[in-house]
Amino acid sequence: AQKITQTQPGMFVQEKEAVTLDCTYDTSDQSYGLFWYKQPSSGEMIFLIYQGSYDEQNATEGRYSLNFQKARKSANLVISASQLGDSAMYFCAMTDTGNQFYFGTGTSLTVIP
Amino acid sequence: DGGITQSPKYLFRKEGQNVTLSCEQNLNHDAMYWYRQDPGQGLRLIYYSQIVNDFQKGDIAEGYSVSREKKESFPLTVTSAQKNPTAFYLCASGVDRGLSYEQYFGPGTRLTVT
Repeated sequence: AQKITQTQPGMFVQEKEAVTLDCTYDTSDQSYGLFWYKQPSSGEMIFLIYQGSYDEQNATEGRYSLNFQKARKSANLVISASQLGDSAMYFCAMTDTGNQFYFGTGTSLTVIP
Repeated sequence: DGGITQSPKYLFRKEGQNVTLSCEQNLNHDAMYWYRQDPGQGLRLIYYSQIVNDFQKGDIAEGYSVSREKKESFPLTVTSAQKNPTAFYLCASGVDRGLSYEQYFGPGTRLTVT
């Protein structure tokens, strides 16, 4: 069964606007972690933000915030004030008590000047 | 500087040959991981290791082998039994954040087998 679902293969956003990338997850564990990574065309995976399942506050890291809705099992990434350098693939990932990581299929974000 | 290194960045091999991809980390992380990425897809776990001299199969371990003789090193061998080895391979190391692990990735190795 698919553990992480990203339903947006591609997204476009105007420079300086905010954009939300969707992610839903599936686990029966109470303890788990949710991650977002950015993958530019160079291929390297860059860690953006982390949310633990017991964290009550939404995680924020600079222009990135994670909209965590536990009951809906969603962990959407919000990028504020988009920049041209934000154009990349974005992957949502989860790790549960098995300490394995599960990745979604990614969303390609293009920032338009 | 602390980080994860993978070498080489690009690797070309003939079909039927085994090939070993290098992964080294100086972050003092206990856990290390190998992933495979194909075009248009996410990452799929090949093997992972939580401690020296121990490792577990991931979702697509067939045709691959690993070793973990040192904490810093987790080489991946792509054997001739792997039916479709051409892919982008990413190594990662992990740190325990209490409830789960955080992962840091290397720059990746792009393997082409012809």
